[in-house]
Amino acid sequence: GAVVSQHPSRVICKSGTSVKIECRSLDFQATTMFWYRQFPKKSLMLMATSNEGSKATYEQGVEKDKFLINHASLTLSTLTVTSAHPEDSSFYICSAIPLGTSYEQYFGPGTRLTVT
Amino acid sequence: TQLLEQSPQFLSIQEGENLTVYCNSSSVFSSLQWYRQEPGEGPVLLVTVVTGGEVKKLKRLTFQFGDARKDSSLHITAAQPGDTGLYLCAGGDNQGGKLIFGQGTELSVKP
Repeated sequence: GAVVSQHPSRVICKSGTSVKIECRSLDFQATTMFWYRQFPKKSLMLMATSNEGSKATYEQGVEKDKFLINHASLTLSTLTVTSAHPEDSSFYICSAIPLGTSYEQYFGPGTRLTVT
Repeated sequence: TQLLEQSPQFLSIQEGENLTVYCNSSSVFSSLQWYRQEPGEGPVLLVTVVTGGEVKKLKRLTFQFGDARKDSSLHITAAQPGDTGLYLCAGGDNQGGKLIFGQGTELSVKP
C-alpha cells in the first residue's frame, strides 16, 4: 500500500517552454502533498506544500509564479515549471501523506527534468 | 529554524563491516523517519520512530530515537553491497506534516 506515482519519469524540454509533472497517490487519498527538488547526491529541498482545494504554500526563495502547483483532487497534484531554463534542470520528487495520518510521507519515484 | 545535522555524509566500507549514521538537532521532533534512496528513484520509508528512547529493528538495521527526541541513529550490522544507497533522516514537527531532512549519508558497501 501507500504507492505514489509520478509522470513523466523523464522529460527533456527546450528553454522557454513549460512542463507539467503529475503526482498521484494510487491506493490512498491525500489532502497534503509535497514537492521537492533534489540535486545530485544531495538531500531533498522542500519547494512547496500542496493542499487539496487550496493554494499551495511555498518555501522561502521558491518562485510561486514559476512553479505552479495545483492540487485538484485527493489523489492528484501537479507541478508546472513555467518558462523553463537550464538552471531548472533537476530531479523533482513529490510525496503524499495518507488521509487520516499525520506524519509519514510516501514518495513518488521522481521526475528528471532536463532543459536544453 | 529547525536543522537536522546528519553524519557522516559519505561512508565507504567493506562488506561485513558495521556502521552507524547519526542525526542530531537542537530541536525536539514529534517523529523521526529514516529513508533509503537509490539513484534515479524516490526515497523509500524504512522506519518511523515517535517515542523518546524508542528502538526499532529491521533485519540488520537498528534505529534509535534519543530520549529527548532531538537525535536519532541508524546502525547497520554486517553491511552488504545491497545496502548501498543514500540514507536520509527526516524530522517531523506536527506542522502540517512538513519534514526537515538531514543532509543525507551516501553509503557504499564494497564486496
